[in-house]
Amino acid sequence: DGGITQSPKYLFRKEGQNVTLSCEQNLNHDAMYWYRQDPGQGLRLIYYSQIVNDFQKGDIAEGYSVSREKKESFPLTVTSAQKNPTAFYLCASSIPLAGQETQYFGPGTRLLVL
Amino acid sequence: GQQVMQIPQYQHVQEGEDFTTYCNSSTTLSNIQWYKQRPGGHPVFLIQLVKSGEVKKQKRLTFQFGEAKKNSSLHITATQTTDVGTYFCAGRRSGGSNYKLTFGKGTLLTVNP
Repeated sequence: DGGITQSPKYLFRKEGQNVTLSCEQNLNHDAMYWYRQDPGQGLRLIYYSQIVNDFQKGDIAEGYSVSREKKESFPLTVTSAQKNPTAFYLCASSIPLAGQETQYFGPGTRLLVL
Repeated sequence: GQQVMQIPQYQHVQEGEDFTTYCNSSTTLSNIQWYKQRPGGHPVFLIQLVKSGEVKKQKRLTFQFGEAKKNSSLHITATQTTDVGTYFCAGRRSGGSNYKLTFGKGTLLTVNP
């Protein structure tokens, strides 16, 4: 059963704590993405990776870090430097197709700061 | 940077009424995609438009891409309660990164049965 999985579904963070959100895909997609969604807002790109061991900053990368050591995995760390981390985090993947590829989204992780 | 504006932000209709959401980009797009997000869910791809003036239909949904490739619309005929959700457009800037989509803020559609 192919798809994208994200864990956990809900995550609570204390002030000053780093947390890591998991994203795994078995679609054999090269590209992976992390978006942040706030209530009533669209999706804002945090980081994206076109290929293993390579990633680029998106529009709101400050306070976040990523790694891409395996094709299947693209974890996102929300660091203590991110001052307003409460949001819905969505991971996506795609196959490059001459700039026309569509993105497949995981179920998301809701992060709440205590 | 590129901006994608979507209106209206909210739309409430009676079941059976039509619905339209509009998307406008500050820059020319190479293509535009539409996604639907059900309440509590994640975005799901609906369609992609590539050609200037392109019109595509999916049952009761009609998607259009403007002649200048800077605007798009989604029209739903005779809405049903299953159409409830937030509809996002997402544009890829012409000449920009093949991997970067810019999303509009979405239109939340609610349908009164």
